[in-house]
Parts: sequence; structure tokens; C-alpha cells
Amino acid sequence: KAGVTQTPRYLIKTRGQQVTLSCSPISGHRSVSWYQQTPGQGLQFLFEYFSETQRNKGNFPGRFSGRQFSNSRSEMNVSTLELGDSALYLCASSRTGTGSSNEQFFGPGTRLTVL
Amino acid sequence: DAKTTQPPSMDCAEGRAANLPCNHSTISGNEYVYWYRQIHSQGPQYIIHGLKNNETNEMASLIITEDRKSSTLILPHATLRDTAVYYCIVSDNYGGSQGNLIFGKGTKLSVKP
Repeated sequence: KAGVTQTPRYLIKTRGQQVTLSCSPISGHRSVSWYQQTPGQGLQFLFEYFSETQRNKGNFPGRFSGRQFSNSRSEMNVSTLELGDSALYLCASSRTGTGSSNEQFFGPGTRLTVL
Repeated sequence: DAKTTQPPSMDCAEGRAANLPCNHSTISGNEYVYWYRQIHSQGPQYIIHGLKNNETNEMASLIITEDRKSSTLILPHATLRDTAVYYCIVSDNYGGSQGNLIFGKGTKLSVKP
């Protein structure tokens, strides 16, 4: 079974630009979660999608948004980029994200650098 | 905030068992204990999880105390490739916790030859 894939793997943007990151979950997984990882704050939850609906959201500003498609693939968007948005963005998928089925499988991440 | 407490770092000799402790004294009855690890610059890797009983898979064993206030992840024969940050997480996976795992700082395990 193919793992979680994320594209692109590396991205360099400048302040004020916007960026879209993509995540393809493991086949059959319907829950997709996004995390931001920085040296200072560690791994922080951004949001989770299930059946094309945002089910949970972390404590990030509205510049961070996402969506999920009918095939469970997900994208996240960051608008008006700031230097502090430089981070590793991780996507994880699980079968349902609920109850006993929330073991999450992570992709390799997208390394975003904002200049 | 993370509901778990882990030592910041541990060393282990290659070929020996690595025993990583985790305290979760406020765990509630329906919360699972999860273990993940992250090798440098890679995405976290799921290792194992359990609710009440001890669990074993091809990667590791999870020992949960009877009162569920602490657990130990055991890597039976550590190799250099097991050097990573290990995260212990508790979650009931309902409501605001669906699809959301709260990562703490973890334990940096260094396996030495």
C-alpha cells in the first residue's frame, strides 16, 4: 500500500505571497490532518478533514485554510505569508480519525521557507 | 497542552532493549496511549497504541500500568536506526480530539554502538 504523499517537498516563497500544499492520503483513509512543525513550537495541529468537512481546527489564524476533495486528497493554503510561517508542514491520514482508529500515518512533509 | 511527561533524553547501547517511560497521570478511562517516533527531518512514524492491555507488534511492545497512569515503550533490540525523538500521546479521539494528536517535546533516544 502506498504511503502518504505530499507535494511539493520544498518550497521557497517571499513575504506576502500565498502557497498551496497538497496531500494524498493512504488509500481507504478518510481523515486527513495537517500539522506545522517548527524548532520553537514543535508539532502543532492545524486542522483535520473528514468526508470533505473540516471537523477540527487548531489555534492558527485564518490565513491558514484547507479543504478536502471527494477522493480524500487534501490541500492546505497559507495566504499573506509571514517569515514565521517557515516550517515543515506535515500531513497525516487515518482511517476515520475517531475512536480506536486514529493511528495516523504521516507524509514526509513540505519544507516551506519564507524569505 | 500535552497530557504526558517524558524524559527529554535517553541513551541506549546497540542491541540492548530501550525502555522509554511516559507519565500520563490525568488520563481518562476512554483515552488511548499512542507512541510515535520522528527520525530527523522525516515525518513522525506510528509505532503502537493501546487502551488498557499491553500490546506488541513487530516494532515494539507497550506496557501500560494497571492504573493507566504511566506506560513504557520497549524496543527489544535497539539499533542505530532507532535513534529518534519518541512521542507519547494520549487521546480519546472524540470531539475536539478527532484527527488531532497533541505532541509534546518527546524523548530523544540516542542508540550508541
